[in-house]
Amino acid sequence: SAVISQKPSRDICQRGTSLTIQCQVDSQVTMMFWYRQQPGQSLTLIATANQGSEATYESGFVIDKFPISRPNLTFSTLTVSNMSPEDSSIYLCSVTSGADTQYFGPGTRLTVL
Amino acid sequence: GQQVMQIPQYQHVQEGEDFTRYCNSSTTLSNTQWYKQRPGGHPVFLIQLVKSGEVKKQKRLTFQFGEAKKNSSLHITATQTTDVGTYFCAGNSGSARQLTFGSGTQLTVLP
Repeated sequence: SAVISQKPSRDICQRGTSLTIQCQVDSQVTMMFWYRQQPGQSLTLIATANQGSEATYESGFVIDKFPISRPNLTFSTLTVSNMSPEDSSIYLCSVTSGADTQYFGPGTRLTVL
Repeated sequence: GQQVMQIPQYQHVQEGEDFTRYCNSSTTLSNTQWYKQRPGGHPVFLIQLVKSGEVKKQKRLTFQFGEAKKNSSLHITATQTTDVGTYFCAGNSGSARQLTFGSGTQLTVLP
């Protein structure tokens, strides 16, 4: 299985600012995903990060709010823009490589004041 | 859109008791997966089921995929405190590579 790291592991941010979360994988992977998990809730897919092209967003998520980059097969970033307290959540990246099973990063715990 | 449901959200069992959780999908799945998330941790892949009626075991955990490939179950025999966590089922249908996660069941094991 892939080893995935995320930076930062946690952050406390002010309303109206933006935070960029990085996801690094130790091997080339086929697909990378970004999820949000609010406290005590399930995982909600934000978008699929596509290498070399625009991300594919799920219903309710837009590029202006959650711009995503994936410059190569081992790295992706998610930016949470113009944050509000409702954006407080855990943000997780996950990857697949060949099979459909997903491997998750440790997550980024975001608190917006 | 596809919906995956797990009920209830919370389950308390006495250590040593068995635990079973069901997961139901609104659509036929190409495969189903189960993940475990320990408190403060991230989801960790447990198992994938692909074939109709498939049963797989991991020590005290037994996973089964329904005949119609719309539901699955997780059974834990003689629960231990190490089983504490939230168990999520997930699935995808057709050619979709994205997983739809169930709401999860948070298991508490009472000593």
